Amino acid sequence: NAGVMQNPRHLVRRRGQEARLRCSPMKGHSHVYWYRQLPEEGLKFMVYLQKENIIDESGMPKERFSAEFPKEGPSILRIQQVVRGDSAAYFCASNGQLTDTQYFGPGTRLTVL
Amino acid sequence: TQLLEQSPQFLSIQEGENLTVYCNSSSVFSSLQWYRQEPGEGPVLLVTVVTGGEVKKLKRLTFQFGDARKDSSLHITAAQPGDTGLYLCAGITNSGYALNFGKGTSLLVTP
Repeated sequence: NAGVMQNPRHLVRRRGQEARLRCSPMKGHSHVYWYRQLPEEGLKFMVYLQKENIIDESGMPKERFSAEFPKEGPSILRIQQVVRGDSAAYFCASNGQLTDTQYFGPGTRLTVL
Repeated sequence: TQLLEQSPQFLSIQEGENLTVYCNSSSVFSSLQWYRQEPGEGPVLLVTVVTGGEVKKLKRLTFQFGDARKDSSLHITAAQPGDTGLYLCAGITNSGYALNFGKGTSLLVTP
């Protein structure tokens, strides 16, 4: 299966803990996007990364949230000191150069107790 | 503010009926994508349209991109229970690369 992979699919954290979400893009894709889907809301863009570079993080909260896409390995979305409002589905998408089409992974559903 | 407005928000129809979902904006998009999302899963790409006035067909689904590239529609002919799901439109503006999503149309097709 050469699709976008995300893990874990479900993650439960207590308030104040850290959450790490992983995304492996589709084979051959070098662009990764993270989106968040809150209940009753549409998907919202968070951050756009290429290998070792953050291109646009305008949709990501300034505090507690960070993202990386290292030269080797998956992209990581990290949320420190989680709060209940962070509970949501987090989706990763990827594409290659010269295309607008983005392909999504199955998402990670984060629940903060 | 929502860049893309989808209508209707909910739609419940019987098997065999036709339906149209609309996606409207005051902004111009370089491309627009339609996805379908099942509960607990990620959006699955249906089609990408890039040219104003473009029409694409995918079996019983017909997608149209407005001439001015500000709006799009999805028409389903003879809907089936397997068409049930959340249909999302998402566009990329000329100056960006992030997808701007509508809130979606939740479709239920009953036998």
